[in-house]
Amino acid sequence: DTGVSQNPRHKITKRGQNVTFRCDPISEHNRLYWYRQTLGQGPEFLTYFQNEAQLEKSRLLSDRFSAERPKGSFSTLEIQRTEQGDSAMYLCASSSGATSTDTQYFGPGTRLTVL
Amino acid sequence: QKEVEQNSGPLSVPEGAIASLNCTYSDRGSQSFFWYRQYSGKSPELIMFIYSNGDKEDGRFTAQLNKASQYVSLLIRDSQPSDSATYLCAVTSNSGYALNFGKGTSLLVTP
Repeated sequence: DTGVSQNPRHKITKRGQNVTFRCDPISEHNRLYWYRQTLGQGPEFLTYFQNEAQLEKSRLLSDRFSAERPKGSFSTLEIQRTEQGDSAMYLCASSSGATSTDTQYFGPGTRLTVL
Repeated sequence: QKEVEQNSGPLSVPEGAIASLNCTYSDRGSQSFFWYRQYSGKSPELIMFIYSNGDKEDGRFTAQLNKASQYVSLLIRDSQPSDSATYLCAVTSNSGYALNFGKGTSLLVTP
């Protein structure tokens, strides 16, 4: 499989719990992005990594959110003390950064439901 | 003003017709423009990108860019029922890395 993969695909949790999502980018893609999408909206940018360095974070990424990409390969997104407003589809994308028009390819997403 | 604007639709076209999807953006410094297709419950799938003024064709799809008017469009020729989906317009942000998306236009192709 050469596409972006995400796990788990679905997560149901209770308010106040912590959750962690994983993203495996396309092999040799050095750029990795996290987005969040709610019903009826387009994806909203959360954060971006180039290799292991987190280079950009959106104002949407509150203190309860943290993302890592420790070895420049897979990435994790953790949400602490989840709130009902965190319910959304969390999308990961990767790109090669090799061309002037850098194209992002999305994974299948992790759908989070906070009860 | 939202950075990327799209008419949410739904846009309904008969099978075989041309579907025209439009997008405007606010940041004159944006360099690259993308169209993604998203089926219900699925993730966005890249259709095509454009970064120069004018038209770019790929099969049944044509993207059009007018930077002076800050306008991007997507034409789908010979529309098929399988084209029924939400079409997302995305524009590179100031940083050049993140994408700013519109809300998407829902397209329904009726047999």
